[in-house]
Amino acid sequence: KNEVEQSPQNLTAQEGEFITINCSYSVGISALHWLQQHPGGGIVSLFMLSSGKKKHGRLIATINIQEKHSSLHITASHPRDSAVYICAVLRDNYGQNFVFGPGTRLSVLP
Amino acid sequence: KAGVTQTPRYLIKTRGQQVTLSCSPISGHRSVSWYQQTPGQGLQFLFEYFSETQRNKGNFPGRFSGRQFSNSRSEMNVSTLELGDSALYLCASSLNAPNYGYTFGSGTRLTVV
Repeated sequence: KNEVEQSPQNLTAQEGEFITINCSYSVGISALHWLQQHPGGGIVSLFMLSSGKKKHGRLIATINIQEKHSSLHITASHPRDSAVYICAVLRDNYGQNFVFGPGTRLSVLP
Repeated sequence: KAGVTQTPRYLIKTRGQQVTLSCSPISGHRSVSWYQQTPGQGLQFLFEYFSETQRNKGNFPGRFSGRQFSNSRSEMNVSTLELGDSALYLCASSLNAPNYGYTFGSGTRLTVV
């Protein structure tokens, strides 16, 4: 079993829909990151979480440390949100050593 | 302010050759980390450097190595290239991981033929 799992693997939505991407992990972590990767490969770090909830524009990220689960929500989705979203965890006591989820490919149709 | 710069953007090499990739971090960032992304394995952590010292290493063979210079620029080297080394290689910089955010470069796409 992978240490970091994401669901769904692929997601197609209509513009304006509310989107949720889930991440669950099985190891102790010091932090969790949500990354966005557009075609062409460039990665943008969206959020770094160790507890609670963060919001940036239309994006909201939450984490439940006890349940080892995080969600990324996109409100009022737009075609420019189409990308691969990757959950990455920093394991306890391993310094800077990311373990990455497999990614969720999101397509938002106009 | 300038972002993380990776050079070259694209590279084609022959099996058995070696390759050196470069990463210039954001000014002031002292941590540089490297990642490999392939369709089969996804993103995997290679290593991290901080103040010219390797602080952490992923599970890759010794053919993969790196270093960091006093100006925080980093290079990674892959010797005796194999077809399976074809991948997107990404680096990221941070003030001092893991407590600070990361900025990723655009990557170097390596093709081994």
